[in-house]
Amino acid sequence: EPEVTQTPSHQVTQMGQEVILRCVPISNHLYFYWYRQILGQKVEFLVSFYNNEISEKSEIFDDQFSVERPDGSNFTLKIRSTKLEDSAMYFCASRTSVFPTDTQYFGPGTRLTVL
Amino acid sequence: QKEVEQNSGPLSVPEGAIASLNCTYSDRGSQSFFWYRQYSGKSPELIMFIYSNGDKEDGRFTAQLNKASQYVSLLIRDSQPSDSATYLCAVSGGGADGLTFGKGTHLIIQP
Repeated sequence: EPEVTQTPSHQVTQMGQEVILRCVPISNHLYFYWYRQILGQKVEFLVSFYNNEISEKSEIFDDQFSVERPDGSNFTLKIRSTKLEDSAMYFCASRTSVFPTDTQYFGPGTRLTVL
Repeated sequence: QKEVEQNSGPLSVPEGAIASLNCTYSDRGSQSFFWYRQYSGKSPELIMFIYSNGDKEDGRFTAQLNKASQYVSLLIRDSQPSDSATYLCAVSGGGADGLTFGKGTHLIIQP
């Protein structure tokens, strides 16, 4: 069964450094999402992406964040200058369409630790 | 501000009993409703979705939606120890909207 994959599984970085989190959505999916989950807290929506454009973004997704689909398979989340509070699990998700029956499938996540 | 509320638990249920999980949401424009299961340190795993008022059954799971009361529930019949996890309620406004999640209910099935 096709799966969303994410790399790396764990990323450790120093405060102020740039990080890029990578996702490979399921191949026939067209809508892509990033979420984060700070330890012990709820899953929070960051951004949705379709047709090489951001569809929706949350208040969390400020100028420090950017997303890109650099080729036909990868979907990346860049954090330009990491802060301690960016430490979290970051989940990528994808779906085929926006029909209510087409649900989002989540990748295994990247644990980001900012020191 | 869209909000999804869940009792964080823990909810302790004997093996073989029915577990009942509840969720309320604030945005009346919400169109789709989801239950995900999350094990510690893992990603959310979809259990069921529902978008029409009433009940929807899938195996041991039944989702119930009452849009007038802005209430979603999940029933798990014949609960098994492997059902022990955190259950996340999520809602979507439709289209390409991201999901708004609740904090989750920690369910413990006691053997």
